[in-house]
Amino acid sequence: GESVGLHLPTLSVQEGDNSIINCAYSNSASDYFIWYKQESGKGPQFIIDIRSNMDKRQGQRVTVLLNKTVKHLSLQIAATQPGDSAVYFCAEIDNDYKLSFGAGTTVTVRA
Amino acid sequence: GAGVSQSPSNKVTEKGKDVELRCDPISGHTALYWYRQSLGQGLEFLIYFQGNSAPDKSGLPSDRFSAERTGGSVSTLTIQRTQQEDSAVYLCASSLIPNQPQHFGDGTRLSIL
Repeated sequence: GESVGLHLPTLSVQEGDNSIINCAYSNSASDYFIWYKQESGKGPQFIIDIRSNMDKRQGQRVTVLLNKTVKHLSLQIAATQPGDSAVYFCAEIDNDYKLSFGAGTTVTVRA
Repeated sequence: GAGVSQSPSNKVTEKGKDVELRCDPISGHTALYWYRQSLGQGLEFLIYFQGNSAPDKSGLPSDRFSAERTGGSVSTLTIQRTQQEDSAVYLCASSLIPNQPQHFGDGTRLSIL
């Protein structure tokens, strides 16, 4: 079946550096994507979203890039802080409502 | 409150018992979703509500699972005759309308002994 996956299960980054988290998706018909952050014991927290008519979207310290040709998403976090340590998921929305994501990337920020 | 609220936050019960999980969506959100997340796994879709009706129940794992939503607001997910494989975190999300950002609660951690 279709799936959304992440390239690397873990990422270690130095505090203050920029982070890049990658994600590949397989459903070429997907037109809406969301990045979530999940801390231990909490639910996924919305970070930023992007629709297929865009290839870049910026938020506060975050940028999402979408490459539809190779079905790839990335989340860039500028000046990574200790509070950015969490599991990050890229989610795909099917049929306007069915959200799916894989096992996520665990980001650890080193002081 | 401002976010999606779920209760209880933790539930431990014996195999064979029934459990009821509650979700209070963000006020004004017409769409409500239930998902299940197992340790180290991704997200499994269970059911979607638009208003009080459930256009898609296809993700419910078996007929032991049921859900309802009343008044276009609170939803309950009921699991009858619980089994050990039902152990997971049950997440509820809501969105203003479909195809808009889904906002999650902190989930109910269900453990079946």
